[in-house]
Amino acid sequence: QQQVKQSPQSLIVQKGGISIINCAYENTAFDYFPWYQQFPGKGPALLIAIRPDVSEKKEGRFTISFNKSAKQFSLHIMDSQPGDSATYFCAASGLTGGGNKLTFGTGTQLKVEL
Amino acid sequence: KAGVTQTPRYLIKTRGQQVTLSCSPISGHRSVSWYQQTPGQGLQFLFEYFSETQRNKGNFPGRFSGRQFSNSRSEMNVSTLELGDSALYLCASSSGLTNSPLHFGNGTRLTVT
Repeated sequence: QQQVKQSPQSLIVQKGGISIINCAYENTAFDYFPWYQQFPGKGPALLIAIRPDVSEKKEGRFTISFNKSAKQFSLHIMDSQPGDSATYFCAASGLTGGGNKLTFGTGTQLKVEL
Repeated sequence: KAGVTQTPRYLIKTRGQQVTLSCSPISGHRSVSWYQQTPGQGLQFLFEYFSETQRNKGNFPGRFSGRQFSNSRSEMNVSTLELGDSALYLCASSSGLTNSPLHFGNGTRLTVT
C-alpha cells in the first residue's frame, strides 16, 4: 500500500526558531510532493510543492528539501511565528493518467510559542 | 475569486441513513476531488471527477459515490451510513491538469449516531 510517513506528530518551537517536519515515502512512482497547512475549522491550504528533479525549493520562510535516493523530504519553516501554529501535512502523488490523487502523511501539529 | 464552497457545514445522521454532500468549485476549475479526514486515518482520497467523469478512485466501499454536473459542481453520496463514516469530508477543486494545486473547501462535518 502506498504510504507517506510523517514525523514528528507534534512540535513545539520558540518564536524565531526553525521548525522541521520530515516525511518518507515508499512508492518510487511518486513525482509530486506538496505540503499543506491546516488551521482549525478550515480546509488544508497548499503551502509549497516540489518535484524530484530539484533538491530544494524555497518560498519565503518555507523551504522543502528533497532527497530522492533516501525517498525523504522535509519542510523547514524559518523564523517561526505564532501565526504558523497549525497542522502541517506532507503529501505525494504519482499519476500517469492525469489528475490529482494525493496520499497524505498523518500530520504534524506545530505550536510556536512566544 | 470565490473559494470552494461546501454545503452543509454540519450534518447529523442516523446509522443506516444516506447523505448527500455538495461542493461548488472555484470558477473555471474542472476537477473536483473528495477526501475524508478522521483523527485515526488522517486524510484519505475518495475520488476525483473531471468533466463529469470519475477519473481517479480511492479505496472506499461502493457505499461512497459521487457525481459531477456540467457546471463542475459535485455531489458526494454515502448510503447505509455506519458509525465509522463520521468524519470531515473535504472537497477540493483544481484546473484538472496533472498534479495541479488543489484548493480545498472548509469541509462538511458528518456525525453518524
